[in-house]
Amino acid sequence: DAGVIQSPRHEVTEMGQEVTLRCKPISGHNSLFWYRQTMMRGLELLIYFNNNVPIDDSGMPEDRFSAKMPNASFSTLKIQPSEPRDSAVYFCASSPNRWNEQFFGPGTRLTVL
Amino acid sequence: GIQVEQSPPDLILQEGANSTLRCNFSDSVNNLQWFHQNPWGQLINLFYIPSGTKQNGRLSATTVATERYSLLYISSSQTTDSGVYFCAVPKIQGAQKLVFGQGTRLTINP
Repeated sequence: DAGVIQSPRHEVTEMGQEVTLRCKPISGHNSLFWYRQTMMRGLELLIYFNNNVPIDDSGMPEDRFSAKMPNASFSTLKIQPSEPRDSAVYFCASSPNRWNEQFFGPGTRLTVL
Repeated sequence: GIQVEQSPPDLILQEGANSTLRCNFSDSVNNLQWFHQNPWGQLINLFYIPSGTKQNGRLSATTVATERYSLLYISSSQTTDSGVYFCAVPKIQGAQKLVFGQGTRLTINP
Protein backbone atom coordinates (compact mmCIF):
# COMPACT_ATOMS: atom_id res chain seq x y z
CA ASP A 1 0.00 0.00 0.00
CA ALA A 2 1.42 3.38 -0.99
CA GLY A 3 2.32 5.81 1.74
CA VAL A 4 1.88 9.56 1.65
CA ILE A 5 3.14 10.92 -1.66
CA GLN A 6 4.65 14.38 -2.01
CA SER A 7 5.89 16.26 -5.02
CA PRO A 8 8.24 17.66 -5.95
CA ARG A 9 10.91 16.15 -3.71
CA HIS A 10 13.21 19.10 -4.27
CA GLU A 11 12.41 22.61 -5.40
CA VAL A 12 14.82 25.45 -6.01
CA THR A 13 13.32 28.79 -6.88
CA GLU A 14 14.12 32.46 -6.80
CA MET A 15 12.72 34.96 -4.35
CA GLY A 16 9.37 36.30 -5.44
CA GLN A 17 8.32 33.22 -7.38
CA GLU A 18 5.23 31.19 -6.61
CA VAL A 19 5.81 27.71 -5.20
CA THR A 20 3.23 24.92 -5.07
CA LEU A 21 3.81 21.78 -3.06
CA ARG A 22 1.57 18.77 -3.54
CA CYS A 23 0.45 15.92 -1.34
CA LYS A 24 -1.56 12.74 -1.80
CA PRO A 25 -2.58 11.21 1.55
CA ILE A 26 -2.91 7.52 2.23
CA SER A 27 -6.15 6.22 0.79
CA GLY A 28 -8.89 6.12 3.42
CA HIS A 29 -7.23 8.61 5.74
CA ASN A 30 -9.45 11.57 6.48
CA SER A 31 -7.03 13.90 8.23
CA LEU A 32 -4.16 15.69 6.49
CA PHE A 33 -1.41 17.80 8.01
CA TRP A 34 1.24 20.15 6.61
CA TYR A 35 4.44 20.62 8.62
CA ARG A 36 7.61 22.62 8.13
CA GLN A 37 11.00 21.60 9.48
CA THR A 38 13.93 23.99 9.96
CA MET A 39 17.07 23.76 12.03
CA MET A 40 16.06 26.77 14.10
CA ARG A 41 12.43 25.88 14.84
CA GLY A 42 12.28 22.12 14.42
CA LEU A 43 9.01 20.58 13.22
CA GLU A 44 6.05 22.94 13.18
CA LEU A 45 2.46 22.24 12.19
CA LEU A 46 1.25 24.74 9.61
CA ILE A 47 -2.33 23.62 8.96
CA TYR A 48 -4.49 20.54 9.11
CA PHE A 49 -7.68 19.31 7.46
CA ASN A 50 -10.39 16.90 8.54
CA ASN A 51 -12.57 15.52 5.75
CA ASN A 52 -11.11 18.13 3.38
CA VAL A 53 -12.08 21.03 5.66
CA PRO A 54 -9.35 23.24 7.16
CA ILE A 55 -9.58 22.95 10.93
CA ASP A 56 -6.65 24.95 12.24
CA ASP A 57 -4.38 27.20 10.20
CA SER A 58 -2.90 29.08 13.14
CA GLY A 59 0.54 27.76 12.27
CA MET A 60 0.58 29.32 8.81
CA PRO A 61 3.31 31.94 9.09
CA GLU A 62 1.67 34.70 7.05
CA ASP A 63 -0.68 35.51 4.21
CA ARG A 64 1.88 34.44 1.66
CA PHE A 65 1.03 30.85 2.61
CA SER A 66 -2.19 29.14 1.59
CA ALA A 67 -3.35 25.54 1.57
CA LYS A 68 -6.23 23.76 -0.11
CA MET A 69 -7.69 20.30 -0.12
CA PRO A 70 -10.15 20.09 -3.02
CA ASN A 71 -10.79 16.37 -2.48
CA ALA A 72 -9.87 13.49 -0.21
CA SER A 73 -6.85 12.47 -2.25
CA PHE A 74 -5.09 15.76 -2.94
CA SER A 75 -3.82 18.83 -1.14
CA THR A 76 -1.60 21.76 -2.06
CA LEU A 77 0.48 24.21 -0.08
CA LYS A 78 1.23 27.40 -1.95
CA ILE A 79 3.71 30.16 -1.16
CA GLN A 80 3.32 33.38 -3.09
CA PRO A 81 5.62 35.25 -3.21
CA SER A 82 8.38 33.06 -1.83
CA GLU A 83 11.21 34.44 0.32
CA PRO A 84 14.61 32.99 1.31
CA ARG A 85 13.38 32.45 4.89
CA ASP A 86 10.80 30.00 3.54
CA SER A 87 13.62 27.57 2.76
CA ALA A 88 12.86 24.40 4.71
CA VAL A 89 11.65 20.85 4.37
CA TYR A 90 7.88 20.69 4.09
CA PHE A 91 6.19 17.48 5.18
CA CYS A 92 2.70 16.27 4.58
CA ALA A 93 1.18 13.68 6.91
CA SER A 94 -2.12 11.83 7.05
CA SER A 95 -4.07 10.04 9.74
CA PRO A 96 -6.91 7.53 9.49
CA ASN A 97 -9.12 9.33 11.97
CA ARG A 98 -9.03 12.11 14.49
CA TRP A 99 -7.13 10.27 17.18
CA ASN A 100 -4.82 7.86 15.45
CA GLU A 101 -1.19 8.12 14.55
CA GLN A 102 0.11 10.30 11.78
CA PHE A 103 2.09 8.98 8.83
CA PHE A 104 4.54 11.27 7.08
CA GLY A 105 5.47 11.66 3.46
CA PRO A 106 9.08 11.94 2.27
CA GLY A 107 9.00 15.74 2.35
CA THR A 108 9.79 18.49 -0.14
CA ARG A 109 13.08 20.29 0.33
CA LEU A 110 12.48 23.91 -0.71
CA THR A 111 15.32 26.31 -1.37
CA VAL A 112 14.49 29.93 -2.13
CA LEU A 113 17.44 31.89 -3.48
CA GLY B 1 0.68 24.54 25.79
CA ILE B 2 2.37 21.28 26.54
CA GLN B 3 6.16 21.14 26.71
CA VAL B 4 8.14 18.18 25.39
CA GLU B 5 11.75 17.57 26.38
CA GLN B 6 13.95 14.84 25.04
CA SER B 7 17.21 13.58 26.45
CA PRO B 8 20.00 13.20 25.76
CA PRO B 9 20.28 15.65 22.86
CA ASP B 10 23.15 13.67 21.36
CA LEU B 11 24.29 10.09 21.80
CA ILE B 12 27.27 8.40 20.17
CA LEU B 13 27.64 4.65 20.51
CA GLN B 14 29.48 1.74 19.03
CA GLU B 15 27.64 -0.85 17.00
CA GLY B 16 26.14 -3.49 19.25
CA ALA B 17 25.52 -1.19 22.21
CA ASN B 18 22.15 -0.63 23.82
CA SER B 19 20.57 2.77 24.36
CA THR B 20 17.69 4.43 26.15
CA LEU B 21 16.12 7.66 24.93
CA ARG B 22 13.78 9.64 27.12
CA CYS B 23 10.81 11.90 26.41
CA ASN B 24 9.28 14.00 29.18
CA PHE B 25 6.07 15.92 28.74
CA SER B 26 4.49 18.53 30.93
CA ASP B 27 0.82 17.52 30.86
CA SER B 28 -1.43 14.50 30.55
CA VAL B 29 -1.55 12.95 27.10
CA ASN B 30 -3.70 10.34 25.38
CA ASN B 31 -1.43 9.94 22.40
CA LEU B 32 2.33 9.68 22.00
CA GLN B 33 4.35 8.79 18.95
CA TRP B 34 8.02 7.99 18.41
CA PHE B 35 9.61 8.70 15.05
CA HIS B 36 13.00 8.04 13.51
CA GLN B 37 14.29 10.60 11.03
CA ASN B 38 16.94 8.83 9.01
CA PRO B 39 19.97 10.55 7.47
CA TRP B 40 17.98 11.03 4.25
CA GLY B 41 15.37 13.05 6.11
CA GLN B 42 12.53 10.54 6.09
CA LEU B 43 10.29 10.46 9.18
CA ILE B 44 9.50 6.87 9.99
CA ASN B 45 6.84 5.83 12.49
CA LEU B 46 8.26 3.67 15.23
CA PHE B 47 5.54 3.48 17.86
CA TYR B 48 2.13 4.85 18.68
CA ILE B 49 2.11 4.33 22.41
CA PRO B 50 -0.18 6.39 24.67
CA SER B 51 0.57 4.02 27.55
CA GLY B 52 2.14 0.68 28.32
CA THR B 53 4.91 -1.13 26.50
CA LYS B 54 5.32 -2.19 22.88
CA GLN B 55 8.10 -4.04 21.13
CA ASN B 56 9.13 -4.24 17.51
CA GLY B 57 12.25 -6.27 16.89
CA ARG B 58 15.24 -4.60 18.55
CA LEU B 59 13.16 -1.57 19.51
CA SER B 60 10.75 -1.21 22.36
CA ALA B 61 8.97 1.69 23.99
CA THR B 62 7.31 2.29 27.32
CA THR B 63 5.04 5.19 28.22
CA VAL B 64 4.13 5.91 31.83
CA ALA B 65 1.39 8.45 31.29
CA THR B 66 0.80 9.08 35.00
CA GLU B 67 4.43 10.12 35.42
CA ARG B 68 4.56 11.96 32.09
CA TYR B 69 7.42 10.24 30.36
CA SER B 70 8.18 7.74 27.65
CA LEU B 71 11.30 5.70 26.98
CA LEU B 72 12.57 4.28 23.72
CA TYR B 73 14.99 1.34 23.97
CA ILE B 74 17.27 0.28 21.17
CA SER B 75 19.15 -2.95 21.67
CA SER B 76 22.15 -4.26 19.71
CA SER B 77 22.44 -0.98 17.79
CA GLN B 78 23.27 -1.03 14.10
CA THR B 79 24.67 1.77 11.94
CA THR B 80 21.28 2.01 10.24
CA ASP B 81 19.81 3.12 13.57
CA SER B 82 21.66 6.43 13.21
CA GLY B 83 19.54 9.53 12.83
CA VAL B 84 17.31 11.70 14.97
CA TYR B 85 14.60 10.26 17.19
CA PHE B 86 11.58 12.41 17.94
CA CYS B 87 8.69 11.97 20.30
CA ALA B 88 5.46 13.88 19.71
CA VAL B 89 2.35 14.45 21.81
CA PRO B 90 -0.89 16.39 21.24
CA LYS B 91 -0.64 20.08 22.00
CA ILE B 92 -3.83 19.78 24.03
CA GLN B 93 -5.19 16.47 25.27
CA GLY B 94 -7.48 15.02 22.66
CA ALA B 95 -6.33 17.40 19.96
CA GLN B 96 -4.78 16.45 16.67
CA LYS B 97 -2.02 19.07 16.69
CA LEU B 98 1.23 17.36 17.64
CA VAL B 99 4.07 19.02 19.48
CA PHE B 100 7.47 17.53 18.74
CA GLY B 101 10.44 17.38 21.04
CA GLN B 102 13.76 18.68 19.78
CA GLY B 103 14.97 15.17 19.19
CA THR B 104 17.87 12.93 20.19
CA ARG B 105 20.59 12.63 17.57
CA LEU B 106 21.93 9.06 17.66
CA THR B 107 25.16 8.16 15.93
CA ILE B 108 26.16 4.51 15.74
CA ASN B 109 29.77 3.96 14.76
CA PRO B 110 30.90 0.70 13.16
